[in-house]
Amino acid sequence: GAGVSQSPSNKVTEKGKDVELRCDPISGHTALYWYRQSLGQGLEFLIYFQGNSAPDKSGLPSDRFSAERTGGSVSTLTIQRTQQEDSAVYLCASSPPGQSYEQYFGPGTRLTVT
Amino acid sequence: AQSVAQPEDQVNVAEGNPLTVKCTYSVSGNPYLFWYVQYPNRGLQFLLKYITGDNLVKGSYGFEAEFNKSQTSFHLKKPSALVSDSALYFCAVRRPLRKGNMLTFGGGTRLMVKP
Repeated sequence: GAGVSQSPSNKVTEKGKDVELRCDPISGHTALYWYRQSLGQGLEFLIYFQGNSAPDKSGLPSDRFSAERTGGSVSTLTIQRTQQEDSAVYLCASSPPGQSYEQYFGPGTRLTVT
Repeated sequence: AQSVAQPEDQVNVAEGNPLTVKCTYSVSGNPYLFWYVQYPNRGLQFLLKYITGDNLVKGSYGFEAEFNKSQTSFHLKKPSALVSDSALYFCAVRRPLRKGNMLTFGGGTRLMVKP
């Protein structure tokens, strides 16, 4: 079946602009995660959604970052007033219900802030 | 706070030789440990996990990992390396005491298998 998809695959934006990154999880997966992969910080957790529960936002680096998940499926990560340090690959992952603990990652969105 | 360390930025091995990619962890309570692999321009792929049970865990593509509680290690191993195993490998630990399975990753180890 189809895996996790993310769009766009690449995004170049000017400093100060807002960007939206999209994630389509695997159908039926109830958990959704956003991570960021950057040269300086490695792979770091950003935010977690589980069903209709309130998201765990503990990994968001600043209040310029926000995310939502509509209808328990598609998620959008929004970065406002982008800064150069926001340049990174943003990875989305989803997990099925139950205790498999495995996460299925999308190919990522490479964000470059100029 | 939990953490994961991968002491080697790069591991070089000849095709056909055994390989080991090292990982040590620091976490409160019982660790849930994972290995993921990343091929160029692709997302991470799950290789294997340790939750409980046997210390030797077998995973995808012939990889295995050994959980060692006394040494707080979870090294990834393969008896005979393939050139196609060349990739970036990440060790990860599940964040304890929180709902969800958010992962804390090590810095990654680049595996280079030469023919």
